[in-house]
Amino acid sequence: ETGVTQSPTHLIKTRGQQVTLRCSSQSGHNTVSWYQQALGQGPQFIFQYYREEENGRGNFPPRFSGLQFPNYSSELNVNALELDDSALYLCASSSPGGDRVIHEQFFGPGTRLTVL
Amino acid sequence: AQRVTQPEKLLSVFKGAPVELKCNYSYSGSPELFWYVQYSRQRLQLLLRHISRESIKGFTADLNKGETSFHLKKPFAQEEDSAMYYCALMRSGSRLTFGEGTQLTVNP
Repeated sequence: ETGVTQSPTHLIKTRGQQVTLRCSSQSGHNTVSWYQQALGQGPQFIFQYYREEENGRGNFPPRFSGLQFPNYSSELNVNALELDDSALYLCASSSPGGDRVIHEQFFGPGTRLTVL
Repeated sequence: AQRVTQPEKLLSVFKGAPVELKCNYSYSGSPELFWYVQYSRQRLQLLLRHISRESIKGFTADLNKGETSFHLKKPFAQEEDSAMYYCALMRSGSRLTFGEGTQLTVNP
């Protein structure tokens, strides 16, 4: 069983540019959540994808968008980058079912984005 | 709105001493609470969840609905417990709200 992987590890962009971050979910997981972790802060929920559909969104502007593919891997896209977008972006996968059991989220190592 | 507060950004104890990492939450519904840990150069991982009522690596956490707290405790800290600890609350749909974290340092 492979864990959650993210690419790239590090990325440097300039203001106004666009960026795409990638995440491969853990085997058997159909749900991917994205989080932004600014320096010295806890992770903040951006959005979640379940079976290729957005399944909830945090307090982030529309220039943060995402996709989930049939193999449940996912992309996070950020347009018109701002300096405050500099952060560690975490992807987490899980496999919630129709029951009431809360399924653990498994986190990837993150992508460190620096916006200059 | 839901919120998780960890009042201590830094906590330093000596090996063998008891340790308590504080977590308070605000949530209108019935909370599902977790502690996540991040060791140096490792990814964020689940330490324990309140519904399991289990002890992991000697850590326990009790949900106190009256005080809206979920403090993490260990009677005898070890050097390998040094890490960043995050308290988190899960809303519907597996969405986590995290606190700002507490950096625990256990000194020899």
